[in-house]
Amino acid sequence: AQSVTQLDSQVPVFEEAPVELRCNYSSSVSVYLFWYVQYPNQGLQLLLKYLSGSTLVKGINGFEAEFNKSQTSFHLRKPSVHISDTAEYFCAVAPYNTDKLIFGTGTRLQVFP
Amino acid sequence: GAVVSQHPSRVICKSGTSVKIECRSLDFQATTMFWYRQFPKQSLMLMATSNEGSKATYEQGVEKDKFLINHASLTLSTLTVTSAHPEDSSFYICSARAGGRAYEKLFFGSGTQLSVL
Repeated sequence: AQSVTQLDSQVPVFEEAPVELRCNYSSSVSVYLFWYVQYPNQGLQLLLKYLSGSTLVKGINGFEAEFNKSQTSFHLRKPSVHISDTAEYFCAVAPYNTDKLIFGTGTRLQVFP
Repeated sequence: GAVVSQHPSRVICKSGTSVKIECRSLDFQATTMFWYRQFPKQSLMLMATSNEGSKATYEQGVEKDKFLINHASLTLSTLTVTSAHPEDSSFYICSARAGGRAYEKLFFGSGTQLSVL
């Protein structure tokens, strides 16, 4: 079985500050990894994904994430956040041998001026 | 980008009534749609996978007679919560796949907040 843990339910940060949203997973099989973002009153959008290759993955809106297999982590980072980054962020995994996404509980990023 | 429309966004109903939630892919054909459920401060849990023209596949622990899923066309899937009770109150989200593996071309609706009184 797989599980995804997002350690912070809320992350408040000031505009232009760096941010890291943490994600750890547990799985007995290899997985693909994803970050989704949900803006208010909108559906989830794919930010970035790790399927294979370089462990540093760059996504949309200046976000990046690094896959660390030994620590089973896939933390999301942005060097300088904007007010418009305020949203809910979900980490997810997809086991190689299934067609399903397993989500974490989400982290609410709130950017203050 | 691809758009998935989910309706209604919010519904309040009396205990014992049935509620239908629609999920439409507006600019692409979705051979597969997924239904998720989210309780407050918990993760999205996959309820079922529906393929156009065939019966839905339900996850373990999800009552198929309670959560009726119909995927009658390549652009529409519906979830009907039958004889709803307060414990069914939750946030329901659909997603539609535009071909490929689930994670490659997967688009989400904006969700439906169901409150059962």
